[in-house]
Amino acid sequence: KQEVTQIPAALSVPEGENLVLNCSFTDSAIYNLQWFRQDPGKGLTSLLLIQSSQREQTSGRLNASLDKSSGRSTLYIAASQPGDSATYLCAAPGRDDKIIFGKGTRLHILP
Amino acid sequence: KAGVTQTPRYLIKTRGQQVTLSCSPISGHRSVSWYQQTPGQGLQFLFEYFSETQRNKGNFPGRFSGRQFSNSRSEMNVSTLELGDSALYLCASRRLHERTDTQYFGPGTRLTVL
Repeated sequence: KQEVTQIPAALSVPEGENLVLNCSFTDSAIYNLQWFRQDPGKGLTSLLLIQSSQREQTSGRLNASLDKSSGRSTLYIAASQPGDSATYLCAAPGRDDKIIFGKGTRLHILP
Repeated sequence: KAGVTQTPRYLIKTRGQQVTLSCSPISGHRSVSWYQQTPGQGLQFLFEYFSETQRNKGNFPGRFSGRQFSNSRSEMNVSTLELGDSALYLCASRRLHERTDTQYFGPGTRLTVL
């Protein structure tokens, strides 16, 4: 059964710093992994989708990597800004195709 | 292109009542999934519909049901509401039921059960 874990649960960093968010999954037989952003009380915004054949994806200041063999994905945010403050969730499919979400990392960028 | 819309945005009900939530996917998207989000359990998968057929179902009691119409709009129904059903209910749409498709989420319906 797929389990997705995100550590840490919360993170505060000064503005301008680069940071890495971690996501681990137990079943490495995934076909993709997706990173989302959620602002308080809002829905989810898709950030990056990495297919199993890819090792990383980039969008602007965001870079997500996928290492299936170790069951890990990272989301790298360069030159963080206060507007990056949000909860970041990763999601991976189980063998039954159900999408399993981590509980997220709550990120706070300090101005 | 309009995003995923959900109605109503907020809902207050009392225990024992039933509720119906609605989700309109992005135009051209045929797959709609529903999720429940609570502080304790996080985001949990409820079910997915594709072309009016339920393709997958999460581990929720039978009080939670859904359906999809021919125009891909979907409804979710919860009967005999319990306090623990208070949550943010999110729906997501994707173009097909393909593994390469990105899911796009709506803003959610905040359900409060008193």
